Amino acid sequence: DAGVTQSPTHLIKTRGQQVTLRCSPKSGHDTVSWYQQALGQGPQFIFQYYEEEERQRGNFPDRFSGHQFPNYSSELNVNALLLGDSALYLCASSIGQWETQYFGPGTRLLVL
Amino acid sequence: QKEVEQDPGPLSVPEGAIVSLNCTYSNSAFQYFMWYRQYSRKGPELLMYTYSSGNKEDGRFTAQVDKSSKYISLFIRDSQPSDSATYLCAILTGGGNKLTFGTGTQLKVEL
Repeated sequence: DAGVTQSPTHLIKTRGQQVTLRCSPKSGHDTVSWYQQALGQGPQFIFQYYEEEERQRGNFPDRFSGHQFPNYSSELNVNALLLGDSALYLCASSIGQWETQYFGPGTRLLVL
Repeated sequence: QKEVEQDPGPLSVPEGAIVSLNCTYSNSAFQYFMWYRQYSRKGPELLMYTYSSGNKEDGRFTAQVDKSSKYISLFIRDSQPSDSATYLCAILTGGGNKLTFGTGTQLKVEL
């Protein structure tokens, strides 16, 4: 049983560019959450998708947007990249609410 | 006040030691507590999931929740060099949708 997978593993962009990160949840999971982890910090919640809708959002600007597809996979888009967007972006999947979230390996984004 | 506070360490212990990792939280209504382990440049891996108060044991790991003092702990017995990692406490909040993490404690177990 494959766990949560993310692509790409690493990415280098320049300020002002746009980036799309991808996530496939664990088999049987219908909920995908995205987190940003800066160096030396715990992950910060960006948003969660369920039934192709954004169910909840953390304290992130509108430059961060997402999408969930009918097969439950998800994308995270970040527009107008800033240096401060450099971080490890983590995807987590779960079944419904109040359930364990399982994390993927992350995508490491560097903005120059 | 942060919802979850955790001492970032680093914490260095000899092999075989008992390790105690701790977090405090702000809201007494929180009920779902987790500990994740994160190796360098990897995603967090779930270690323990505890509901409400009390202890939960899994092999060398014990998670403890003290709701009266809003304190959560992870104990590692007979620590091994392979336990060297960052340990993150997390609380499930936001109607069950959102994990709020501590900053993580970096642990090194030395031979």
